[in-house]
Amino acid sequence: EAQVTQNPRYLITVTGKKLTVTCSQNMNHEYMSWYRQDPGLGLRQIYYSMNVEVTDKGDVPEGYKVSRKEKRNFPLILESPSPNQTSLYFCASAQLAPTGELFFGEGSRLTVL
Amino acid sequence: GQNIDQPTEMTATEGAIVQINCTYQTSGFNGLFWYQQHAGEAPTFLSYNVLDGLEEKGRFSSFLSRSKGYSYLLLKELQMKDSASYLCAVKLSAGNNRKLIWGLGTSLAVNP
Repeated sequence: EAQVTQNPRYLITVTGKKLTVTCSQNMNHEYMSWYRQDPGLGLRQIYYSMNVEVTDKGDVPEGYKVSRKEKRNFPLILESPSPNQTSLYFCASAQLAPTGELFFGEGSRLTVL
Repeated sequence: GQNIDQPTEMTATEGAIVQINCTYQTSGFNGLFWYQQHAGEAPTFLSYNVLDGLEEKGRFSSFLSRSKGYSYLLLKELQMKDSASYLCAVKLSAGNNRKLIWGLGTSLAVNP
């Protein structure tokens, strides 16, 4: 089954404790992206990657890091989480064809105390 | 700047037809997506329009007018499971660039 898998789905952590949210896709998509979704602000892109070892900042990259060492994986790293990073996070992937739609993971709800 | 407008909330009755509008003002345009998102779940793809006109896909249709910066999603024969948020997103440029500008979504409630 074609899917994007994120882990963990739910996490409560404390300020400053480094965490990683993993993302893996099995569709051989070149493009992967991380979004956060907050009430009243909609979906905002954090980082994206066009291919292995190619990453770039989205609209809200501050406080986040990513890496793309393998085509299927695109982890999101919060080096020192803060309460304003409490959010619902989505990983997504797509083919690089112009009409290729995004496939989203199920989401990771993160709370930073 | 980039701007996408959608109504915040809509209500409709089971079995009816509803039209969800999306207007956009963006620095570029290379297609418009509609996604459905149930509460607490991931967005799922509904449609993509890049040329003017109506695209029909089962109970859902999407319309685009590039000259007016306008799109709508038409849902027919509404079912309770159609209660969800509907997101409009504009792709800014051609080729492999995946930059999307997202609307805030329209929350649709379908009542029996």
